[in-house]
Amino acid sequence: EVQLVESGGGLVQPGGSLRLSCAASGFTFNNYAMTWVRQAPGKGLEWVSTFSGGGGSTFYADSVKGRFTISRDNSKDTLYLQMDSLRAEDTAIYYCAKGGNIYGAPFDYWGQGTLVTVSS
Amino acid sequence: EIVLTQSPATLSLSPGERATLSCRASHSIGSYVAWYQQKPGQAPRLLIYDVSNRATGIPARFSGSGSGTDFTLTISSLEPEDFAVYYCQQRSHWPLTFGGGTKVEIK
Repeated sequence: EVQLVESGGGLVQPGGSLRLSCAASGFTFNNYAMTWVRQAPGKGLEWVSTFSGGGGSTFYADSVKGRFTISRDNSKDTLYLQMDSLRAEDTAIYYCAKGGNIYGAPFDYWGQGTLVTVSS
Repeated sequence: EIVLTQSPATLSLSPGERATLSCRASHSIGSYVAWYQQKPGQAPRLLIYDVSNRATGIPARFSGSGSGTDFTLTISSLEPEDFAVYYCQQRSHWPLTFGGGTKVEIK
């Protein structure tokens, strides 16, 4: 059974940093692209970042480029999102999803999400 | 950036009725469109990928169609558990994008 479990969310002040983790199980982690998608309160879904499987390429939304860094540890089957210079508009539930490469697999599994609140 | 426009924003229907949801892309995305269902307090769930392929465990009342820039999700006969928000999403171009969503509510 595929499972994705996010952690690391919380309350942080504007300008602060937070590191999210997504522990994966039930599939061959290093074979798949992995993605972070966020959802601001009462809003729709927004793609944040993708780390491709195999090749090691990373992709970012313009809204987070230069502030967020996606990484993965294939030995631990874990995906990360380092979030720096956080802004109020980064407040959202952050979901980890399996898949997401161009022409690749869709987001066929999602975690339950972790809430990030940026406020003073 | 590929903009996905979903319509209508809200669809008010009764159980047993047919639901037709639209997703229009600003440029051709071939067949790389997926549909997701999200219920309050839950993560999204994949329903349909590559226009018309149902994901594992998705009932046959859900179907997808379209090509190029115009896509449709159809729910043939609404069940009580189908009232939710539905999003389309493209993976043809970076950045990946989602539509704004269609809420299917009970009339």
